[in-house]
Amino acid sequence: RKEVEQDPGPFNVPEGATVAFNCTYSNSASQSFFWYRQDCRKEPKLLMSVYSSGNEDGRFTAQLNRASQYISLLIRDSKLSDSATYLCVVGRNTGNQFYFGTGTSLTVIP
Amino acid sequence: DTAVSQTPKYLVTQMGNDKSIKCEQNLGHDTMYWYKQDSKKFLKIMFSYNNKELIINETVPNRFSPKSPDKAHLNLHINSLELGDSAVYFCASSQDRMGTGRPYEQYFGPGTRLTVT
Repeated sequence: RKEVEQDPGPFNVPEGATVAFNCTYSNSASQSFFWYRQDCRKEPKLLMSVYSSGNEDGRFTAQLNRASQYISLLIRDSKLSDSATYLCVVGRNTGNQFYFGTGTSLTVIP
Repeated sequence: DTAVSQTPKYLVTQMGNDKSIKCEQNLGHDTMYWYKQDSKKFLKIMFSYNNKELIINETVPNRFSPKSPDKAHLNLHINSLELGDSAVYFCASSQDRMGTGRPYEQYFGPGTRLTVT
């Protein structure tokens, strides 16, 4: 079983739409959770960390459900510039190990 | 200022050659990493390294070896390159929280696109 699983999409949504991505992780010992964004032919960049109580950053909201080992990312009022691949990342302290999902592709259409 | 830098950005070479990719970070981080992103865009960790411990992903062939002259640098040396080594290689760094807390987020370099012909 993969450490981190994501729906690869693609998600094609109109500008202004709300879109949600989900991610599950297999190891209950995981301690840190992140969403990264990767543009075409670029490096991954941190979008936001995910905290147990859930957190929001502008149009982006992240949720964590430890019992279900499930992470989500909600994007409201989608912009053209949100088009990218969104990577779910799970970290464990042992060996500073990070596990990346395969990414979910989002295209926001005018 | 570039936080994590890699050179070269592009590398085209023939099978059987030996090559190195350099990585430097100016963030003062303790831990550095090498990742391989294949044609299917899956990002897979190859190594994580700090001045205390090198952790090798067991699936990485021993033709790949990380070399760290100091805390700010982690180079990747590849012997006897094969066609299947063609990929984008990303260097990353993070604070070291081993044994003391949650891992911090990682910062990535711009990547090195390696093509083996």
